[in-house]
Amino acid sequence: NAGVMQNPRHLVRRRGQEARLRCSPMKGHSHVYWYRQLPEEGLKFMVYLQKENIIDESGMPKERFSAEFPKEGPSILRIQQVVRGDSAAYFCASSLREKVYEQYFGPGTRLTVT
Amino acid sequence: GEDVEQSLFLSVREGDSSVINCTYTDSSSTYLYWYKQEPGAGLQLLTYIFSNMDMKQDQRLTVLLNKKDKHLSLRIADTQTGDSAIYFCAGPPGGKLIFGQGTELSVKP
Repeated sequence: NAGVMQNPRHLVRRRGQEARLRCSPMKGHSHVYWYRQLPEEGLKFMVYLQKENIIDESGMPKERFSAEFPKEGPSILRIQQVVRGDSAAYFCASSLREKVYEQYFGPGTRLTVT
Repeated sequence: GEDVEQSLFLSVREGDSSVINCTYTDSSSTYLYWYKQEPGAGLQLLTYIFSNMDMKQDQRLTVLLNKKDKHLSLRIADTQTGDSAIYFCAGPPGGKLIFGQGTELSVKP
């Protein structure tokens, strides 16, 4: 059973460009979570999704950030018009619907904004 | 909201025991977790404890929970150089994990 997959592992964007981060949950997992880790900091919750539904987006910045988890395909975290402060590691986790207390993390996408 | 705090650094010698501490504020957390992050890698779920337990042991790992003081600890017996990493405690109010800032464990040979 493959773990949580994220791609790309490293992403470099210039200021003003768009960044798209992908997350494929573990097989059978219907819940996806996105977290951001700024340099020298712990992880901060961003958004919690199930297929075609956002359950909790209380950690998402109000502008430029969006997330989706379509019926088919990976979950996407989209950052429009990136700024240097968006440089961070973005981690995705997934869980079974009935075991939201057991989240498994992907290897992360390291976004660098130049 | 939930707040989780940890000391930032711990240095031990190989073969010693390591104890990493964590305090939390939300007494309604039903589960409390320990994750391990190696350099440049994602987080690995090490163990978790239900709030109705005081202790959980899993091979070299022992988790102690003091609900009265809202204190969680992770003890690693016979610490090895491969245990060098950052350890995060976390609590989940409602499915989203709230992490401490992480304790960097350095194991010296």
